[in-house]
Amino acid sequence: DAGVIQSPRHEVTEMGQEVTLRCKPISGHNSLFWYRQTMMRGLELLIYFNNNVPIDDSGMPEDRFSAKMPNASFSTLKIQPSEPRDSAVYFCASSLGVPGGSTEAFFGQGTRLTVV
Amino acid sequence: GNSVTQMEGPVTLSEEAFLTINCTYTATGYPSLFWYVQYPGEGLQLLLKATKADDKGSNKGFEATYRKETTSFHLEKGSVQVSDSAVYFCALSDHGGGADGLTFGKGTHLIIQP
Repeated sequence: DAGVIQSPRHEVTEMGQEVTLRCKPISGHNSLFWYRQTMMRGLELLIYFNNNVPIDDSGMPEDRFSAKMPNASFSTLKIQPSEPRDSAVYFCASSLGVPGGSTEAFFGQGTRLTVV
Repeated sequence: GNSVTQMEGPVTLSEEAFLTINCTYTATGYPSLFWYVQYPGEGLQLLLKATKADDKGSNKGFEATYRKETTSFHLEKGSVQVSDSAVYFCALSDHGGGADGLTFGKGTHLIIQP
């Protein structure tokens, strides 16, 4: 398997523009996670899906952020409008969760977003 | 809520030195514990894990033991190499009815000098 695939690897955009980050999870995994990494706050869980359904979006910073998972093999994280403080590395991860079991998440290489 | 606390970095060591990176956690229930490693410009990779008390996870010469009594999961390696230079994250995940997100510590930047 190719692992979790994220695109683009780097994105530079102007403040106010819409940004869409994409993720393809590992085939067969039923959970998908979006994380944001910054120097100040470390790794923060933004949202996660289980069987394509959003389970917990309490980490999404504000209404400018939205995430979708239209099918088991694709997810997007959208920021509209973007702001300089959104600059960070955004990671997507997937796992195979089972009831009562431990989870092991596999991470993509991340998208480095710079909003100028 | 869940939280993970790990020692601040950077930690700078000479090659072949002994490594300990401390990690303690707070969680409801009985979490699984993980160490992830992030090499420059890459995503996180699972290094090792432990799912119940007294379990020892090990990989690539690294070890960590799940200590429920001290709520700790310290990472150790007997002899580090330059190639071990990376950021190390301690994390936990609750058991539950399905998959949930990992709670990470802030990461410890390890620098190994030749």
